[in-house]
Amino acid sequence: QVQLVQSETEVKKPGASVKVSCEASGYTFTGYYLHWVRQAPGQGLEWMGWINPNSGDTNYAPKFQDWVTMTSDTSINTAYMEVRRLRSDDTAVYYCAREGVKAARDYWGQGTLVTVSS
Amino acid sequence: QSALTQPPSASGSPGQSVTISCTGTSSDVGGYNYVSWYQQHPGKAPKLMIYEVTKRPSGVPDRFSGSKSGNTASLTVSGLQAEDEADYYCNSYAGSNNYVFGSGTKVTVL
Repeated sequence: QVQLVQSETEVKKPGASVKVSCEASGYTFTGYYLHWVRQAPGQGLEWMGWINPNSGDTNYAPKFQDWVTMTSDTSINTAYMEVRRLRSDDTAVYYCAREGVKAARDYWGQGTLVTVSS
Repeated sequence: QSALTQPPSASGSPGQSVTISCTGTSSDVGGYNYVSWYQQHPGKAPKLMIYEVTKRPSGVPDRFSGSKSGNTASLTVSGLQAEDEADYYCNSYAGSNNYVFGSGTKVTVL
C-alpha cells in the first residue's frame, strides 16, 4: 500500500535551517509529483510547492521561492524539503503529499512538527 | 496569492445536509476545473474527498459531492454523520503550476 513516512519532530533556533524527509513506498516514486504543505498551530493549510522526483523539477509558491528548497533522492525513494533562515512564524506541521490524481493530493505523510524557538 | 474564502463554520443535525462554499477568482477557481476538497480531523493529516470539482476517490462515501459555478466551488455533505465533524479545506489550481488553499471550514454535527 502507498505510504509516505516523514522524519521526526524538530526543534530549531531562529536563523537555523531544517530539512524534513519524506520516504515513499508502495508505488513508483518517480511516477508522481510530491507536494509540500504546512499548517501553523490552529491555522489552515498552506501550499508550499512541488517536486517532480523523476526530473528534479520544482515549483515553489512565490512566498517560499527564496528560502525553501525541495529535493529528492530516487535511489532511496525519499523527498526532502529544507527551510532556511527559520523564524518563529515558521513553527508548523509540515506535510508531504503525493499528487496521485490530476491536481490533487491523494496520499499524505503523517506530518513533521517543526518548532522554532530561542 | 490570497487564500480562497470559506465560511469559518457550518453545522447540521445528523441526517441533514451541509454545503460549504469556496470563493476565489477567475484566476483560480473560476479558471480551471481543478478544485479539490480535503477533510481533516484534529491532529490528523488531511484526506482527499473530492478532486477535479466533482470526482470522488475510491472509498469516499457518495454522501460527499462537489460542484462549481463561476468563481465559487461547493462541497455538500448529505446525510450528516457524527464522523463528518471535521475541518474542510478547498484547494484550487491557480495557474503557473501554483495552487492555493481555502481558509478552512469547521463542520459541527449538532
